[in-house]
Amino acid sequence: EVQLVQSGAEVKKAGESLKISCKGSGYNFANYWIGWVRQMPGKGLEWMGIIYPGDSDTRYSPSFQGQVTISADTSISTAYLQWSSLKASDTAMYYCARPEYSSSSRFDDWGQGTLVTVSS
Amino acid sequence: QSALTQPASVSGSPGQSITISCTGTGSDFGNYNLVSWYQQHPGKAPKLIIYEDSKRPSGVSNRFSGSKSGNTASLTISGLQAEDEADYYCCSYISSNTFERLFGGGTKLTVL
Repeated sequence: EVQLVQSGAEVKKAGESLKISCKGSGYNFANYWIGWVRQMPGKGLEWMGIIYPGDSDTRYSPSFQGQVTISADTSISTAYLQWSSLKASDTAMYYCARPEYSSSSRFDDWGQGTLVTVSS
Repeated sequence: QSALTQPASVSGSPGQSITISCTGTGSDFGNYNLVSWYQQHPGKAPKLIIYEDSKRPSGVSNRFSGSKSGNTASLTISGLQAEDEADYYCCSYISSNTFERLFGGGTKLTVL
């Protein structure tokens, strides 16, 4: 069974750094893309970017390029989303999800979400 | 890139059918840009209910169906049940450079 387990909720101050994680199990982690999706409070889903853990090929949505960094560590089957300097507007739920393939909009598997709260 | 356009809300009574539309531009819904639909209950992660415009994953009720014509994809839910009350999002792959996906703005379904 494929599982994506995300790290726990975070409460941070503006200007602080943060790295959240998404651990995959039940499949060959290196061989499947992992994407990240933001959901701000009371709002819809927004695509952030995607990484192929096998070679660290990473693609960002233009909206998030330069704002976050996506990475992965195949040795521990974990993908990451990190910020170097958080803003209050980064307050949101963040989901990792595994697409069927690089160009698919089909995401069968999702993490449970990580709530990030940033105070100004 | 703006979100795909969905109605903000739809409603229906138990047993009725409803349809949620998802409208994009030609580049959003090109021949190879297949649409998926997701259901999201409050406080939960999204759940895939339709992929490749009209296919249902194993375990998803056949009350859910999808279609696409031109620049509009549609999700139909027949025989509405109270448990169908949720937010629904369409999604399309739109860029071979950034591998970007585009979500619809979401539709809140209320079962009266």
